[in-house]
Amino acid sequence: KAGVTQTPRYLIKTRGQQVTLSCSPISGHRSVSWYQQTPGQGLQFLFEYFSETQRNKGNFPGRFSGRQFSNSRSEMNVSTLELGDSALYLCASSYTWAPDTQYFGPGTRLTVL
Amino acid sequence: AQSVTQLGSHVSVSEGALVLLRCNYSSSVPPYLFWYVQYPNQGLQLLLKYTSAATLVKGINGFEAEFKKSETSFHLTKPSAHMSDAAEYFCAVRGRYGQNFVFGPGTRLSVLP
Repeated sequence: KAGVTQTPRYLIKTRGQQVTLSCSPISGHRSVSWYQQTPGQGLQFLFEYFSETQRNKGNFPGRFSGRQFSNSRSEMNVSTLELGDSALYLCASSYTWAPDTQYFGPGTRLTVL
Repeated sequence: AQSVTQLGSHVSVSEGALVLLRCNYSSSVPPYLFWYVQYPNQGLQLLLKYTSAATLVKGINGFEAEFKKSETSFHLTKPSAHMSDAAEYFCAVRGRYGQNFVFGPGTRLSVLP
């Protein structure tokens, strides 16, 4: 079974631009979560989607948004990029939204110049 | 609110020595607990999880962890370190009612020859 895939793997943007990251969960998984990982803040939860509905949201500004499609694929969008948005963005999928094992993708490395 | 602390941001052990990585959690109700490992430029891989069955949990690569409710701890151990164990290790907690995952700050394990 294929793992979680994230595209693109690397991205360079400039301040003020917007970016869209994509995540394809493991086949059959209906829950997708997004995390931001930085050296200073560690792993921080962004949001979780299950069956196209946002179930949980972390403490991030409204510039960070996401959505999930009917095939469980998910995208996250960051508008008006700031230097501090440079991070590794990780996507994780699980079968259900209830406490369960999460399987992580390799991440998208976003650099904001 | 749930939280996770990991004592020691960096731990060094000699090859063949015992590995002990500490994790303490804060939660009003015993949560689900996880240990993940992250190798450079990769996503997180689940090592093991505690979901209220046996308090001693065995995981992959020879790792195990013991849930101690009285100490609110979930320390990770491995009897004999291998060079390939060098990585960053994250302890995580998730509530029993669908709350999002909360990750600790991570402990970088170095294995010396």
